[in-house]
Amino acid sequence: KNEVEQSPQNLTAQEGEFITINCSYSVGISALHWLQQHPGGGIVSLFMLSSGKKKHGRLIATINIQEKHSSLHITASHPRDSAVYICAVRRGGSGGGADGLTFGKGTHLIIQP
Amino acid sequence: GAVVSQHPSWVICKSGTSVKIECRSLDFQATTMFWYRQFPKQSLMLMATSNEGSKATYEQGVEKDKFLINHASLTLSTLTVTSAHPEDSSFYICSALRGLSMNTEAFFGQGTRLTVV
Repeated sequence: KNEVEQSPQNLTAQEGEFITINCSYSVGISALHWLQQHPGGGIVSLFMLSSGKKKHGRLIATINIQEKHSSLHITASHPRDSAVYICAVRRGGSGGGADGLTFGKGTHLIIQP
Repeated sequence: GAVVSQHPSWVICKSGTSVKIECRSLDFQATTMFWYRQFPKQSLMLMATSNEGSKATYEQGVEKDKFLINHASLTLSTLTVTSAHPEDSSFYICSALRGLSMNTEAFFGQGTRLTVV
């Protein structure tokens, strides 16, 4: 079993729909990242969470530390949101520290006009 | 926001040659950088942790003599794939950390697509 599981693996939706991508992890973490990867491969960091909820534009990310679960929501989805969304966790306790990320396999999102 | 620049973005090389990939943090100092590799349709996997002024820490299964990492300054880490083989063809991406402890943020380079022929 992977340490970071994402669902769904693939998601196709219509423009305007509300999108939810889920991430569950099985290890202790100091932070969780949501990343966006475009077809060319480049990665953009969307959020870094250690608790609660963050919002940036149409994107919302939440995390429940007790349940080891995080969700990424996209409101009023648009074709330009089409990308691979990746959940990644940084292991460790409250010290954070310089540990590499462990990645989920990603969710391939396609928003159709 | 912080920018991490990775170069080259793609490279094709002959089997047996070496390829150097650079990762620079442009507007912050990064004591730690990470090198990841992604094979088609697979997750990114951590290869090694690069610490400024000290030896890199390699993940299990990653050959340190094949993937040479040099973190000579607080803004530059390099990954050299030595004696490249076709199975080394992959997408390599670096990441740099900015900040301390709970506020540490990760920034990613654009990635390098390596094709060994």
